[in-house]
Amino acid sequence: QQPVQSPQAVILREGEDAVINCSSSKALYSVHWYRQKHGEAPVFLMILLKGGEQKGHEKISASFNEKKQQSSLYLTASQLSYSGTYFCGTDLYNQGGKLIFGQGTELSVKP
Amino acid sequence: DTGVSQDPRHKITKRGQNVTFRCDPISEHNRLYWYRQTLGQGPEFLTYFQNEAQLEKSRLLSDRFSAERPKGSFSTLEIQRTEQGDSAMYLCASSPHRGRDGELFFGEGSRLTVL
Repeated sequence: QQPVQSPQAVILREGEDAVINCSSSKALYSVHWYRQKHGEAPVFLMILLKGGEQKGHEKISASFNEKKQQSSLYLTASQLSYSGTYFCGTDLYNQGGKLIFGQGTELSVKP
Repeated sequence: DTGVSQDPRHKITKRGQNVTFRCDPISEHNRLYWYRQTLGQGPEFLTYFQNEAQLEKSRLLSDRFSAERPKGSFSTLEIQRTEQGDSAMYLCASSPHRGRDGELFFGEGSRLTVL
């Protein structure tokens, strides 16, 4: 039931782009994205709702393919501050904050 | 408002001891969640409250775990007779929305080490 994220880790140079994928075996109501820096709390980035509505971060975009039960997070023109571990969290039944998180994708942005 | 705060930040205990963690959510947030995170993994849902009512508990939460949110403000998570497998980061989060979709505001967590 846990969503699968890919890749597990990625290293970028500043200014490069990255895509992080999240795939579920179950139909989804919404997908949530969080970023966690080492030793810190996860921080909200984005919610993608069934039907196409998005709420979140201005500089990060994402897509949600309900049919394929997949979401992708697009990080463009990466900055050093983008480094951290990205988690997708899936909401199966419109339960708000009760999420099933993936195992995470570790992103390192180098100067 | 300073965000979600958790106490203690670190706890080292011996197997078999009881431990209690406290979470103070952002004021006026009516939903409060507890998650557990182990190294290299995403957070795992444990339980959540709407105001003072505990609405759901994960099957991960054994009988040794109990959570309360008296008066719908702060919450406590108690683990009785701790085991080494309980070692993890315990994260608390709160949500401002009465509706069902909304962001979670996480605290920095309480790290438990059971020796």
